[in-house]
Amino acid sequence: EAGVAQSPRYKIIEKRQSVAFWCNPISGHATLYWYQQILGQGPKLLIQFQNNGVVDDSQLPKDRFSAERLKGVDSTLKIQPAKLEDSAVYLCASSPSWAEAFFGQGTRLTVV
Amino acid sequence: EDQVTQSPEALRLQEGESSSLNCSYTVSGLRGLFWYRQDPGKGPEFLFTLYSAGEEKEKERLKATLTKKESFLHITAPKPEDSATYLCAYQAAGNKLTFGGGTRVLVKP
Repeated sequence: EAGVAQSPRYKIIEKRQSVAFWCNPISGHATLYWYQQILGQGPKLLIQFQNNGVVDDSQLPKDRFSAERLKGVDSTLKIQPAKLEDSAVYLCASSPSWAEAFFGQGTRLTVV
Repeated sequence: EDQVTQSPEALRLQEGESSSLNCSYTVSGLRGLFWYRQDPGKGPEFLFTLYSAGEEKEKERLKATLTKKESFLHITAPKPEDSATYLCAYQAAGNKLTFGGGTRVLVKP
């Protein structure tokens, strides 16, 4: 079974630029999560989708972050404009409802 | 407010020295308690799910237990390859998955 795919693996941008991350979840998984993980900390939930609807985006900085899940499958997370404090690893995960989540390898973002 | 706290933040062990990691939670309506392992530069890897107090799960040198307020991850006779960050997470209403800060474990030969 294919795992969660994320791209790119690494990205370096200057502050105030925009960036987008892509996630392809495991086939058939209804729930998709985006997490931000700052070095030395646990993952912080940014947004949770159930199929193509948003379940929770309470910690998403909506003035600069946006996310969508097209047709309930792939998802993109965008940051515009980026700030230095956005440097982190962005993790995508998917799960069937009420079960464990499986994570991708993450995208390491460095904002300079 | 629902929250989860892991301790210690870091743990240094000699190979073969057993120890336990703690995950304390205050959650109303807990649906599940999860343990993950994370290696540097990788995404978290699922280890265990616990659903009710008294439940235990085992995998190789790892054993997870759950009470009404805490979960423990016991590492028995660890090897250097057990070095990683161990994360616990709770699942509550709405299928939301919330993580603790993690425990970084280093096992020295």
